[in-house]
Amino acid sequence: DTGVSQDPRHKITKRGQNVTFRCDPISEHNRLYWYRQTLGQGPEFLTYFQNEAQLEKSRLLSDRFSAERPKGSFSTLEIQRTEQGDSAMYLCASSLSGSSETQYFGPGTRLLVL
Amino acid sequence: QQQVKQSPQSLIVQKGGISIINCAYENTAFDYFPWYQQFPGKGPALLIAIRPDVSEKKEGRFTISFNKSAKQFSLHIMDSQPGDSATYFCAASMSSSASKIIFGSGTRLSIRP
Repeated sequence: DTGVSQDPRHKITKRGQNVTFRCDPISEHNRLYWYRQTLGQGPEFLTYFQNEAQLEKSRLLSDRFSAERPKGSFSTLEIQRTEQGDSAMYLCASSLSGSSETQYFGPGTRLLVL
Repeated sequence: QQQVKQSPQSLIVQKGGISIINCAYENTAFDYFPWYQQFPGKGPALLIAIRPDVSEKKEGRFTISFNKSAKQFSLHIMDSQPGDSATYFCAASMSSSASKIIFGSGTRLSIRP
């Protein structure tokens, strides 16, 4: 399967714990995006990378959130000191700059903070 | 700030009927308008997309109608099938902002057999 993959698919944690999610984009894609989707809503943009550079962060991305893409391939999204309001589906997408704007989404990581 | 407004929130259509979902946008800088389909527990998947230089795009049973002057666009699903039951999101993006996608709030479509 050469699509976008995310790990883990589900995560249950207690309030105050740190969690880290991983995204592996389509191999030739140089852009990688993180979105958050709460129940009954559309995905909301969090941040994006072009290669290893993080070029934009949404206001939704508080100081407790950090994302990295160290070698321009996979990316990680870490949430520190999780809160119940962080419970959501975290979606990763990738695209190829210079081509159509089509973003291909992964299956998401569903986070539940108790 | 909701830049893409979508309606209805939910829709029930009989098998074989036409499903119509409407969206409106505010920012005239948007230049790419995709529709995504999402099944429960899955990520969104691109269904069909249009640019503002055309008024209609058709792919199989799916058609986007685009009205640039009204800043509105819609998705029509012809001969709707039970397998089309999913949540549909309209969206918009700007080439100048690395195509960050702004999504509508979604329409939950149910096709009755």
